[in-house]
Amino acid sequence: EADIYQTPRYLVIGTGKKITLECSQTMGHDKMYWYQQDPGMELHLIHYSYGVNSTEKGDLSSESTVSRIRTEHFPLTLESARPSHTSQYLCASSVPGLGKTDTQYFGPGTRLTVL
Amino acid sequence: KNEVEQSPQNLTAQEGEFITINCSYSVGISALHWLQQHPGGGIVSLFMLSSGKKKHGRLIATINIQEKHSSLHITASHPRDSAVYICAVANFGNEKLTFGTGTRLTIIP
Repeated sequence: EADIYQTPRYLVIGTGKKITLECSQTMGHDKMYWYQQDPGMELHLIHYSYGVNSTEKGDLSSESTVSRIRTEHFPLTLESARPSHTSQYLCASSVPGLGKTDTQYFGPGTRLTVL
Repeated sequence: KNEVEQSPQNLTAQEGEFITINCSYSVGISALHWLQQHPGGGIVSLFMLSSGKKKHGRLIATINIQEKHSSLHITASHPRDSAVYICAVANFGNEKLTFGTGTRLTIIP
């Protein structure tokens, strides 16, 4: 069983607010990911990290930023939230599998609504 | 056109029925994942396949690399199987996943 946590689970905020979505994992995984998922749509990678002090932008452009100061922690920040940021944000971490492909473990997600 | 296509988009079945969900992809991959997303949003990884077939309880996943196609089967379906099932592929040389839009499965008692 994987241990990856996200807080808050649900967040409703007003436009212009700065928010940070938390993601933590206790498995010592080096690789962590943030995905954005609009209702009924596929997940899109917005950020990933291969270890401490390593962050990269994903396939989908996002106005959010991330940091990776500690292995277990990968927070995502929106400096000024807008209604277009309303979505579900899923965090994942991975452990190397056989060959090149890792098994990813997902957190429960944060459902963000910006009014 | 999405690189990963799933069918059907929605599926409603009676409890006990045999369920098949299909996934087709258009690029070379190193592995394919089947994920289950519950109504609350949390995602559970069910299988990771690079060839052949895997079985876990009532769930069976198969992949045909030549045909770029995978299927997820559920035997003796149960209402607790109701969820969105997502297919995702990992491209060669790139561990990032590309996701399908999911299949919403509803099992009626």
